[in-house]
Amino acid sequence: DIVMTQSPDSLAVSLGERATINCKSSQNVFYSSHNKNYLAWYQQKPGQPPKLLIYWASTRESGVPDRFSGSGSGTDFTLTIRSLQAEDVAVYYCQQYYTIPLTFGQGTKVEI
Amino acid sequence: EVQLVESGGGLVQPGGSLRLSCTASGFALRDHWMTWVRQAPGKGLEWVANMNQDGNEKYYVDSVEGRFTVSRDNAKNSLYLQMNSLKDADTAVYFCARGKVPYSASGEDAFDIWGLGTRVTVSP
Repeated sequence: DIVMTQSPDSLAVSLGERATINCKSSQNVFYSSHNKNYLAWYQQKPGQPPKLLIYWASTRESGVPDRFSGSGSGTDFTLTIRSLQAEDVAVYYCQQYYTIPLTFGQGTKVEI
Repeated sequence: EVQLVESGGGLVQPGGSLRLSCTASGFALRDHWMTWVRQAPGKGLEWVANMNQDGNEKYYVDSVEGRFTVSRDNAKNSLYLQMNSLKDADTAVYFCARGKVPYSASGEDAFDIWGLGTRVTVSP
């Protein structure tokens, strides 16, 4: 199974500042024949289901603010929230969909 | 509006059974791989099972293999999860989720639509 490890487990960021979350996979999730990284990012607020933010490691889902961006390739990925807003307080998860079983990181809690 | 609504959760004793349902609206379930994901209290997300569009491909996480069965009724736009021999460790909120890419040949996908979840508690 591919193990997804996020860092840090939690971080506190001032309003308007940048938040950076890292995700490392135990195996490469780049599918060379498709030229894509099979990596997604989700946001989960308390009492709500997860919301897809980013897929293919860097493609923003429709309706997601452009302050959210994803980067990285292979085994190392980053979610960046440029200029944190109050509504961005949540837990963020990375997920690999390169192979079954599909696996998630343990989550990173972002606070103000 | 595109949405998924789960039902069927509840309190069950260890060794018991439950059947969860997930009904889709606003889109055709038959076009998508569908997935069950669970979240134990205060914990992270765990993929449980998925199924292809016509139901002839199913995959499970090892911890539920042989105890859980995923199925679907495309005519009813519904997905199901039959859970048998339930254990304390199965206590969680169970979400159904849609694979983002329609008509995909592969279950390896991100999940773009999620239900609100249904809570399953396994306790004596």
